[in-house]
Amino acid sequence: DGGITQSPKYLFRKEGQNVTLSCEQNLNHDAMYWYRQDPGQGLRLIYYSQIVNDFQKGDIAEGYSVSREKKESFPLTVTSAQKNPTAFYLCASSIATEQPGNTIYFGEGSWLTVV
Amino acid sequence: AQKVTQAQTEISVVEKEDVTLDCVYETRDTTYYLFWYKQPPSGELVFLIRRNSFDEQNEISGRYSWNFQKSTSSFNFTITASQVVDSAVYFCALGVGAGTALIFGKGTTLSVSS
Repeated sequence: DGGITQSPKYLFRKEGQNVTLSCEQNLNHDAMYWYRQDPGQGLRLIYYSQIVNDFQKGDIAEGYSVSREKKESFPLTVTSAQKNPTAFYLCASSIATEQPGNTIYFGEGSWLTVV
Repeated sequence: AQKVTQAQTEISVVEKEDVTLDCVYETRDTTYYLFWYKQPPSGELVFLIRRNSFDEQNEISGRYSWNFQKSTSSFNFTITASQVVDSAVYFCALGVGAGTALIFGKGTTLSVSS
C-alpha cells in the first residue's frame, strides 16, 4: 500500500543523547516535511525538502538536523542541543511544490519522550 | 505575514447536534489554498478538503460542509448531525507561495458525547 511510514512509534531518549526518527514514503512525492506538535501549539514546521540533497529550515529548526539522500527518505535527528524535545513528530510529503498549496499527506507520527 | 487562527480551542457537543469550527486566515497573496485536516486519537492527520482562493463556492460532502468567505477571510467547517466518531482535533491550514510548506492553525478539539 502507498503511504508514509514513520518509525519508531514511541521513543525514549536520555538527556544528552541524539536520536533519529525515520520517515519513508512510497508515494513518489518530491517534497517532504517534518512538523512538531505540542499540546495547544498546533503543528510547527521543523524542516522541509523539495528535492533530493536540498532542504530548508522551518520555524523551529534549532536543535534538529535532517538529510535527504534519497527521494523516499527524510530522517530527522533530534540532537542534544534541542532543549525540550518531548513532543509528537509528524512526517509528511507532497508532490513538487512549484505550485502553492499542494496537499500534504501525513504519516502516523512518532512520540518522543526524554527521560 | 501569513497566519491561521482557530479561536475555538475545545468544543463539546452531544450526538446529533450540528457544530461549526471556525477558521480565519491572513495573507496578502491573491493566490492561496485552504485546507482542513482531521486528527483522530490515533494521531495521523487525515486530509479533508482543499480549496483555492478563486473558488468561493461552498462545498458539501455528506455530513461535512465548508463555507469559504473571502470578505471575512474565513473558511469555516460545519459537521451536521455530529457523531461520536467525529471526536478529533481539527486543523485548518493555509498554503501560499511556491516551494513553501503549509501553515497550520493551533487546532480545535471536538468532543462528541453520546
